[in-house]
Amino acid sequence: SQQGEEDPQALSIQEGENATMNCSYKTSINNLQWYRQNSGRGLVHLILIRSNEREKHSGRLRVTLDTSKKSSSLLITASRAADTASYFCATPKPHQAGTALIFGKGTTLSVSS
Amino acid sequence: DTAVSQTPKYLVTQMGNDKSIKCEQNLGHDTMYWYKQDSKKFLKIMFSYNNKELIINETVPNRFSPKSPDKAHLNLHINSLELGDSAVYFCASSQVRGVAKNIQYFGAGTRLSVL
Repeated sequence: SQQGEEDPQALSIQEGENATMNCSYKTSINNLQWYRQNSGRGLVHLILIRSNEREKHSGRLRVTLDTSKKSSSLLITASRAADTASYFCATPKPHQAGTALIFGKGTTLSVSS
Repeated sequence: DTAVSQTPKYLVTQMGNDKSIKCEQNLGHDTMYWYKQDSKKFLKIMFSYNNKELIINETVPNRFSPKSPDKAHLNLHINSLELGDSAVYFCASSQVRGVAKNIQYFGAGTRLSVL
């Protein structure tokens, strides 16, 4: 079954505001990642949080992980027009030898100036 | 230098044709992947190769045949193209071990349109 369901599906904010996206997953994980996809481009890794971590920061990004609720959130502070993109959470595919990722459906963020 | 490069970027073809997409990575990674992204942006793993060996095949129709001539290249050949094959195909790579082993690096994608 599908891992990593994000909400909201779409989010529109003004520059300078904060954007929060949520992700839920279904099975046990040892890490969770967030990726960004600009229109017409490939995915770019943003941040990885391990299952024994509760919060992680990277620049204007803050990620939280609650393994008891099987959920994660991505907060982008002081958003900029350049943050306009789709954001995906991803978890490792369980019970597989490789490290393929299962992606959620993504949140499309629009930041207007 | 582009880390993961795919060619072509766009591919428009008729139903029933056979086409190939090429992928190369210069990151020294051992593992490469093909993902399919549909019109709703849903991304799904298709194949994974580790050092030229197939390790994941996600119930993809056998019209799709990946080929890895060496660990830096993973090509995707599609036979008898169907309308439902229209999508964006992404190649990605990652390390096998170490702290960064789960982080994947993606190519820019190949937008396939089957008419």
